[in-house]
Amino acid sequence: EPEVTQTPSHQVTQMGQEVILRCVPISNHLYFYWYRQILGQKVEFLVSFYNNEISEKSEIFDDQFSVERPDGSNFTLKIRSTKLEDSAMYFCASSDSALGGELFFGEGSRLTVL
Amino acid sequence: SQQGEEDPQALSIQEGENATMNCSYKTSINNLQWYRQNSGRGLVHLILIRSNEREKHSGRLRVTLDTSKKSSSLLITASRAADTASYFCATDGGNEKLTFGTGTRLTIIP
Repeated sequence: EPEVTQTPSHQVTQMGQEVILRCVPISNHLYFYWYRQILGQKVEFLVSFYNNEISEKSEIFDDQFSVERPDGSNFTLKIRSTKLEDSAMYFCASSDSALGGELFFGEGSRLTVL
Repeated sequence: SQQGEEDPQALSIQEGENATMNCSYKTSINNLQWYRQNSGRGLVHLILIRSNEREKHSGRLRVTLDTSKKSSSLLITASRAADTASYFCATDGGNEKLTFGTGTRLTIIP
């Protein structure tokens, strides 16, 4: 069964360092998302991406964050200068439809900022 | 309060009993979805109910939707230990992104 894969599963970084989280969405999906979940809290929307551009982003997704689909298969989330409060689980998701279709999630990348 | 709030926050029941979780939301929706999350894992889609549907079944799951009250419920019948997880409702608010609720942490006691 097709699945969304994410790497790394866990990354520890120093505050101020750049981090890139990688995702391989399901191959025939066209809509891509990043969500994050701070430990014990709700799953929060960060950004949606379609047709090689951001279609929607949340207030959390400030200019420290960027997304890219560099090669037609990978979908990356970059945090330029990490802060302590960026520590969270980051989930990539993909979908074959817009407007609230089923999302297929990866297992997440746990980011720990020290 | 937040779009998509589940109650109760936590629920513990004996194996074999039924578990009911509720979700309330604030904006208009195209559909409402329920997801499950095992501890430390990704979210898994369980069921989607469209705004013009009132009830939907999938195996041991039954979802209801009342758009006039902006609420939904998820019923898991004949619970099993493997059903232990957090359950989230998610709404689309008429746009692309899904907004997740705060979740119900379900514990099934063997």
